Amino acid sequence: SQTIHQWPATLVQPVGSPLSLECTVEGTSNPNLYWYRQAAGRGLQLLFYSVGIGQISSEVPQNLSASRPQDRQFILSSKKLLLSDSGFYLCAWSGGLAGPDTQYFGPGTRLTVL
Amino acid sequence: DQQVKQNSPSLSVQEGRISILNCDYTNSMFDYFLWYKKYPAEGPTFLISISSIKDKNEDGRFTVFLNKSAKHLSLHIVPSQPGDSAVYFCAAYYGGSQGNLIFGKGTKLSVKP
Repeated sequence: SQTIHQWPATLVQPVGSPLSLECTVEGTSNPNLYWYRQAAGRGLQLLFYSVGIGQISSEVPQNLSASRPQDRQFILSSKKLLLSDSGFYLCAWSGGLAGPDTQYFGPGTRLTVL
Repeated sequence: DQQVKQNSPSLSVQEGRISILNCDYTNSMFDYFLWYKKYPAEGPTFLISISSIKDKNEDGRFTVFLNKSAKHLSLHIVPSQPGDSAVYFCAAYYGGSQGNLIFGKGTKLSVKP
């Protein structure tokens, strides 16, 4: 069966520090991978998605970036965190099928920027 | 512009009664809809989905209804249980979105014993 992992589970970082969040998927090949953010009192905002290694699409302009160095690894990064980057970050995967494609989420990372 | 709207931020229901969560959408190109359940500090869990060629899909206590002409879908939970207390997200998909889901802002359901 497929599983998705995220780490760390929680993170407290000062403003201006770098960020690296990691997501890995097991039990599937060539998944589509997604990064979402849930800010306090708001819904799920898609940040990045990837349909293959090295292929990243950005949905919203921001100081975050994403990379996919391996088929089942997705990394969210920032060179300098802002206070507004605080939130709950979720990684998700889908089978990459043509047509409707259910996404499955990881456990999330709670990021607090102070 | 919010394409998927969940206009009720919260809903409170008595245990054993029906919970009805609503979702409206604006894009007529959406052809697949999903409901997710989310507990605090956890990732959303997929609950149930429906294709636009159907108007109803049932899975145990959960039923999703789709009214395409009204661009409206709803999730019914019968009977509601305290463990159902969570935030429920409606999501929509269309082929042109390259597999991306568009999420509503969620409705917090509280089921009281």
